[in-house]
Amino acid sequence: AQSVTQLDSHVSVSEGTPVLLRCNYSSSYSPSLFWYVQHPNKGLQLLLKYTSAATLVKGINGFEAEFKKSETSFHLTKPSAHMSDAAEYFCVVSLWGAQKLVFGQGTRLTINP
Amino acid sequence: GAVVSQHPSRVICKSGTSVKIECRSLDFQATTMFWYRQFPKQSLMLMATSNEGSKATYEQGVEKDKFLINHASLTLSTLTVTSAHPEDSSFYICSARELGSGRLYNEQFFGPGTRLTVL
Repeated sequence: AQSVTQLDSHVSVSEGTPVLLRCNYSSSYSPSLFWYVQHPNKGLQLLLKYTSAATLVKGINGFEAEFKKSETSFHLTKPSAHMSDAAEYFCVVSLWGAQKLVFGQGTRLTINP
Repeated sequence: GAVVSQHPSRVICKSGTSVKIECRSLDFQATTMFWYRQFPKQSLMLMATSNEGSKATYEQGVEKDKFLINHASLTLSTLTVTSAHPEDSSFYICSARELGSGRLYNEQFFGPGTRLTVL
């Protein structure tokens, strides 16, 4: 069975500094991996997705993530945080060909002025 | 493209009443829709998967008689919380998977959520 672990429940950075949100996955087969962002009382917006093509995936709003099979990781990064990035971020895994998505517990990102 | 809407966005009801939440795919046909529940400061929990024209598949521990799901068309699924109680208060989010189009088989598009409060 597949699972995903977000290593930090809360990350706080200063505006203009880099962001790193960590995610490790467990999957027996080639997974599809996603990062979603959720602003307060809102639905989820897809930031980026890994589909077994390029291991470095670029998403919206300057975010990117690198798939590292040897480390079973899919960490999300952004070079320079913006106040509008403050939100909850979910790392999600799914088996290729499977319908269900498995969500991590989420990481709350706080941006300090 | 791939927009999913939910209605209502927020609902308050009395204990014992039933509440219906609609999930619509606005610009695509959805073969499959999913219903999630999210408690405050927690992750999303899949409640059920619904395919157009067939019965929903419920996750373990989710009462199918309590949470009625209907997926009558390729653009509409409804979740009815029957005889709601305060413990049913939560944020309910739907998602939809697009028919064909070459998208990832497992890519889902999420609605904005419905906040249910049962008094």
